[in-house]
Amino acid sequence: ETGVTQTPRHLVMGMTNKKSLKCEQHLGHNAMYWYKQSAKKPLELMFVYSLEERVENNSVPSRFSPECPNSSHLFLHLHTLQPEDSALYLCASSQEHKPYGYTFGSGTRLTVV
Amino acid sequence: AQSVTQLDSQVPVFEEAPVELRCNYSSSVSVYLFWYVQYPNQGLQLLLKYLSGSTLVKGINGFEAEFNKSQTSFHLRKPSVHISDTAEYFCAVSDRTGANNLFFGTGTRLTVIP
Repeated sequence: ETGVTQTPRHLVMGMTNKKSLKCEQHLGHNAMYWYKQSAKKPLELMFVYSLEERVENNSVPSRFSPECPNSSHLFLHLHTLQPEDSALYLCASSQEHKPYGYTFGSGTRLTVV
Repeated sequence: AQSVTQLDSQVPVFEEAPVELRCNYSSSVSVYLFWYVQYPNQGLQLLLKYLSGSTLVKGINGFEAEFNKSQTSFHLRKPSVHISDTAEYFCAVSDRTGANNLFFGTGTRLTVIP
């Protein structure tokens, strides 16, 4: 399998649930990202990992917790979410210091009820 | 830091007509420029990129874009659109360090009308 794979594709969770989103890249990249895409809003960069270390956290609420156990895997742990957290969550990867752009996964459509 | 402005949030166009999606950027340093396409319920897919050299860049699906340094623009064009081109299009910019700093525009929704 090649590219960036995100699972699950769809997730419905209650506000008291705990769930995790998974992202896996098979491109040999060394940087990974989480983006949030809400209707009628620009893409929001949530977290950046470079060489498995978090290098950016854009004022994301603590109910979102990222984890990058190795350069190929990225998780987003979710707990006690709010309905306004419903969105498409996109994972991307890139090779740092190479101008090739980002490769995106297909996203996880999250609905918080 | 860099920023990107996509002036048109929505562009309707008839099938087989030409289309131009506008993108302007702001940066104090030299940049790389990208266009991405997002089909419904999908992630973003790279259409084309400008790194250096010829200012006219050709991408997938018959799209092309022209880098204009004096006007700080990178408009996307297609001479004849198809129904399947209906999607959201994002312009993006990064500086030439290649670091983790890709900045996206707010997107343009292209709707092709049969």
